[in-house]
Amino acid sequence: SQKIEQNSEALNIQEGKTATLTCNYTNYSPAYLQWYRQDPGRGPVFLLLIRENEKEKRKERLKVTFDTTLKQSLFHITASQPADSATYLCAATMGNTPLVFGKGTRLSVIA
Amino acid sequence: EPEVTQTPSHQVTQMGQEVILRCVPISNHLYFYWYRQILGQKVEFLVSFYNNEISEKSEIFDDQFSVERPDGSNFTLKIRSTKLEDSAMYFCASRDANRGPYGYTFGSGTRLTVV
Repeated sequence: SQKIEQNSEALNIQEGKTATLTCNYTNYSPAYLQWYRQDPGRGPVFLLLIRENEKEKRKERLKVTFDTTLKQSLFHITASQPADSATYLCAATMGNTPLVFGKGTRLSVIA
Repeated sequence: EPEVTQTPSHQVTQMGQEVILRCVPISNHLYFYWYRQILGQKVEFLVSFYNNEISEKSEIFDDQFSVERPDGSNFTLKIRSTKLEDSAMYFCASRDANRGPYGYTFGSGTRLTVV
């Protein structure tokens, strides 16, 4: 079955450092990968989307990569701040198929 | 910024009772979704709805579940006879058909507790 895996349940980093989160997919060739932020008790909030033919996408302090050979996406937050502390979800879709989510990585940025 | 609105924010119900969760999607969006998240687990797809009918549903979405768009603004999820394992956060989402896979906007969710 299609699987989206975020192998790190939790990640702690110091303020100002770059956080790197990993998303792997198996039995799947998604056309799009998306990253969402989820705060406790709230719904996911869309951050970035990357297409399979794109290597990298940036938005302010965020950067996403898509490696179809490794079947992996990396999500980077540069100059991290305590306000970036949240759970980050990776999700995949073929385009017209519903989003399939990973379990998420809980990021804690320590001042 | 436009929002997806969900009511109620919390619902406690007895096992076997029917519940209706309500959502108001963004007005010009045409695709609607229900997802659920059991505490500590991943966000799981339940059902998608387009052009006044179900376009896709997951194995979770069995005969106990139904969706409806009773008027031009509301989108509801009904669970006919709730079970303890239905306790979860239920999220509604909508998407702008003109933006392809972009534009999934989620509501803040309804926390359903079945006792």
